[in-house]
Amino acid sequence: DAGVIQSPRHEVTEMGQEVTLRCKPISGHDYLFWYRQTMMRGLELLIYFNNNVPIDDSGMPEDRFSAKMPNASFSTLKIQPSEPRDSAVYFCASSPRQGRPNSPLHFGNGTRLTVT
Amino acid sequence: AQKITQTQPGMFVQEKEAVTLDCTYDTSDPSYGLFWYKQPSSGEMIFLIYQGSYDQQNATEGRYSLNFQKARKSANLVISASQLGDSAMYFCAIFEGNTPLVFGKGTRLSVIA
Repeated sequence: DAGVIQSPRHEVTEMGQEVTLRCKPISGHDYLFWYRQTMMRGLELLIYFNNNVPIDDSGMPEDRFSAKMPNASFSTLKIQPSEPRDSAVYFCASSPRQGRPNSPLHFGNGTRLTVT
Repeated sequence: AQKITQTQPGMFVQEKEAVTLDCTYDTSDPSYGLFWYKQPSSGEMIFLIYQGSYDQQNATEGRYSLNFQKARKSANLVISASQLGDSAMYFCAIFEGNTPLVFGKGTRLSVIA
């Protein structure tokens, strides 16, 4: 199994530009999560999906952030317009199910976003 | 209140020694799970070990074990026979009810030769 695949690994962009982060979850995993990691705030959940449907997006910081999951094998996180404070590592993770405590998340390698 | 508290921002341990990384949690749900993840300098998040609230035994996985003290709401990670490759950030996380994992701020472990 290839694991969770994220692209790009690194993204450097200028303030005001649109940024799109991509994620391919592990096949058969019904849950997909987007987390953001910063030094100040640690790992924060942004949004998660179950069977391609967004369940909880209360962690999305602002309307500038949006996430979609058009099918079971692909999700995007978009920031438009980007700001320097959005600089962080963005992780995508998937798990086979929730409601079962012993279902660990499988993380991608993350996208390091730098907004100048 | 913080769901997960990791009070040690940084720890040092001599190679081949054992080390304990602290984690306390806050929940009123009787059914929950506790996870530990390792994040090396390369950045990926690696699942290490899991402990369920109803598990009678402390979890063990190779050199990793969990010192689970339910009444004290603590789930400390014990790494035995530390290796240089254990140098990394370690995160404790809790799953409760039907909500996604909530992570602590992490502990940076440095193993010294």
